[in-house]
Parts: sequence; C-alpha cells; structure tokens
Amino acid sequence: EVQLVESGGGLVQPGGSLRLSCAASGFTFGTYWMSWVRQAPGKGLEWLANIKQDGSEKNCVDSVKDRFTISRDNTKSSLYLQMNSLRAEDTAIYYCARASTVTTRNLESWGQGTLVTVSS
Amino acid sequence: QTVVTQEPSFSVSPGGTVTLTCGLSSGSVSTTNYPSWYQQTPGQPPRTLIYSTKTRSSGVPDRFSGSILGNKAALTIAGAQADDESDYHCVLYMGGGIWVFGGGTKLTVL
Repeated sequence: EVQLVESGGGLVQPGGSLRLSCAASGFTFGTYWMSWVRQAPGKGLEWLANIKQDGSEKNCVDSVKDRFTISRDNTKSSLYLQMNSLRAEDTAIYYCARASTVTTRNLESWGQGTLVTVSS
Repeated sequence: QTVVTQEPSFSVSPGGTVTLTCGLSSGSVSTTNYPSWYQQTPGQPPRTLIYSTKTRSSGVPDRFSGSILGNKAALTIAGAQADDESDYHCVLYMGGGIWVFGGGTKLTVL
C-alpha cells in the first residue's frame, strides 16, 4: 500500500524558514515523479513543484520559485520542500503527491498533509 | 497567465447526473493537458478520481467518468449519492513541467 506521510509543519514567524518532509513507503520511491501541493484555509489546491525520479529535473510555480526548493533523497525514500522567507499567505496545508506510474508526472497518491502557519 | 476555470458551485438531485467542467481562460483543453479530477471533503486530503482525461483511479466506481467535452475537460457523475457532496478539483498540465489547478467546484446533492 502506498503511504505518504508529511511532517515538519508548524508555526513560524514571517520571514522564517521551514523544511517539510514526506516519507514514502509501499513502493519504489526512486521510480516516481513526486510533487508538492498546498491548500490555504478555505481555498482551492495550488500545485507548487515537482521533481523527477533522479532529481535531475525540477519545476516550480513562479509565485514561490525564489523562496521554495524541492528535493529528494531516494536512499531515504523521502521528499523535501525547503521554504524560506515565509509570508502570511504561505499559511496552508502542504501535501506531497506521487505520480500514477513510473512514466507519468501527474498526481495520484496523496499524503494526509502537514499544516504550516505563518504568523507573528 | 492562463487560468483554469471551474464552476464555483453546482447542485444535483439524488440519483441524477451532473457534469462538471474544467476549462482554460485562453484556449481549449485537450488530452495533452492530461486533466485529472479530485474529490475532497472537509478535513480530508484530496482523493483522486480520474487522471489522464478518463482513467479511473483504483477503487473509484464507474459512476465517475472523465472526458473532453467541446473545449473543456469534464467529470460526469451518474446516479449521484449523498456522499458525492464534496469539493471537486481539476488540474491541467500546462507544459514545461507545470500543473495548474482550477478553483474547485462545490457540489451539493439535494
């Protein structure tokens, strides 16, 4: 069974940093594209970034690309999101997601999410 | 910047059929946008219903179907049930590795 467990969220002051993690199990992590998606309170989903199986390709939405960095460690079956210069509008639940197959880059399997709150 | 559009809200009667759409503010949706659909209830993560236009995710009943209708992606729910009352999100691939979600549709079953 595919399992994705996000961690690292919490309360952070504006301008601060957080590193989110997503621990994967139940599949061969290194063979799938992985993504981060967030959802602000009461709002829709926002795709943030994805990363290729070997980390050689990364894509990121323009609105956060200067502040957020996606990475992965296939030896630890883990996905990461480094978030710097956090703002109040970054307050959201952050989800990691796995693609459907080893040849696709869509979002099919989801974690439960981790809540990030940016406030003074 | 291209925006992905969805109906903000929709209602359907129990047992009825409803079609939700996912469009582009500029241009048409095609299979190369690999449209996907997700169902979400409050406090829960999204549940994948459809990906790559019409492929149902594992365990999704065949009451849910995806297609391209005209210039939009579409999610059709047949035989609507009370527990179909949820938010429905679509996402489109824009090329260059970038995906964009629509604003979501709140479906009411009444």
